[in-house]
Amino acid sequence: AQTVTQSQPEMSVQEAETVTLSCTYDTSESDYYLFWYKQPPSRQMILVIRQEAYKQQNATENRFSVNFQKAAKSFSLKISDSQLGDAAMYFCAYRRVETSGSRLTFGEGTQLTVNP
Amino acid sequence: KAGVTQTPRYLIKTRGQQVTLSCSPISGHRSVSWYQQTPGQGLQFLFEYFSETQRNKGNFPGRFSGRQFSNSRSEMNVSTLELGDSALYLCASSFPGLAGGAPYNEQFFGPGTRLTVL
Repeated sequence: AQTVTQSQPEMSVQEAETVTLSCTYDTSESDYYLFWYKQPPSRQMILVIRQEAYKQQNATENRFSVNFQKAAKSFSLKISDSQLGDAAMYFCAYRRVETSGSRLTFGEGTQLTVNP
Repeated sequence: KAGVTQTPRYLIKTRGQQVTLSCSPISGHRSVSWYQQTPGQGLQFLFEYFSETQRNKGNFPGRFSGRQFSNSRSEMNVSTLELGDSALYLCASSFPGLAGGAPYNEQFFGPGTRLTVL
């Protein structure tokens, strides 16, 4: 079974600074997807960024980028120029590549605080 | 395009009762997944439905069940409620959800139903 681990329950960053959230996972699959989701106080889960395991290039979405280390099974999220609106719970998630099914396996989450 | 909607948003029940939660996916989406979120267990997958058939199931007791209708709307039911069932229940829909289809279907989450069991 696949597992996802986020070892940082809480992180804080100053507004406009950069912060990195860590995630490790365990799988025997060679192809899969990894995601970072954001859950603000409203509880609405929002997809931040995704990475296909077969791609060597790290995914980037505006101020959000990942450092995907497949051999180490590590998938960290870097948030640059942090904004107050980035404050939320961040979840790392894994999904198999399969012809049917959209099941996500989530990590425990990291609560990010952005200080003005 | 309207997002995923879940009803009701809040629910209070007592132990032993049963409850039904509803999820309406984004128009055109055929796959609906359910997740339970609790402080202790985090986010856990309950089940997924596609074309009225359950095609994935998490490790939950048989008290948790679901179904999907021909219009892709889904319901989940919890019978004989326990205190530990208190949670935020999230629904997510995706497109096209076809077996053998596109390898990646982004999931869009609803706002959740907050269930409190007293």
